[in-house]
Amino acid sequence: EADIYQTPRYLVIGTGKKITLECSQTMGHDKMYWYQQDPGMELHLIHYSYGVNSTEKGDLSSESTVSRIRTEHFPLTLESARPSHTSQYLCASTAAVPQEGYTFGSGTRLTVV
Amino acid sequence: AQSVTQLDSQVPVFEEAPVELRCNYSSSVSVYLFWYVQYPNQGLQLLLKYLSGSTLVKGINGFEAEFNKSQTSFHLRKPSVHISDTAEYFCAVRGNTGGFKTIFGAGTRLFVKA
Repeated sequence: EADIYQTPRYLVIGTGKKITLECSQTMGHDKMYWYQQDPGMELHLIHYSYGVNSTEKGDLSSESTVSRIRTEHFPLTLESARPSHTSQYLCASTAAVPQEGYTFGSGTRLTVV
Repeated sequence: AQSVTQLDSQVPVFEEAPVELRCNYSSSVSVYLFWYVQYPNQGLQLLLKYLSGSTLVKGINGFEAEFNKSQTSFHLRKPSVHISDTAEYFCAVRGNTGGFKTIFGAGTRLFVKA
């Protein structure tokens, strides 16, 4: 079944650690996105990609980085986690036509202690 | 440029009552319109979308939305809500030209009370 997967679902990590949040989709979508969302709050676009080897920063400044080496994989990395990075991170993908909506993963809830 | 305004941050309603969640948008180009639902501790799920044609679109879980071009609105409605409809609802617009960037509203928290 075509879907988008995020791992881990929950992560508690110490300050200063390097972490990678995984996102993979099986739909062959070119466009992929990372959003940051605090509980009950709006979505903030932090990174997006329109295809392999294409990545851009979003509207919200973020200390994270992303890569897109394969169409299906769009991981997000924090080199040195801080408590201010505590949030929910949502990955999404969509086809390259505007009529399609986004497909979202279940999210990774990150807590930095 | 496009923008989306969800006029209510929270909507409390009793079970089996009707509900309307309001969404206004602005855009300099033609847009496609979407509503998403987010249940606690989950990602967003597409409820319905308006692309063209009939201004009344039906989605999953008994929701429907009406596109009003003159008022630049896309309000979401359900005639009778259930406890299980308690969730966050996001309105979104996507331009049909350029990079097709999607703009999300700030969300409306629907709280259904017994």
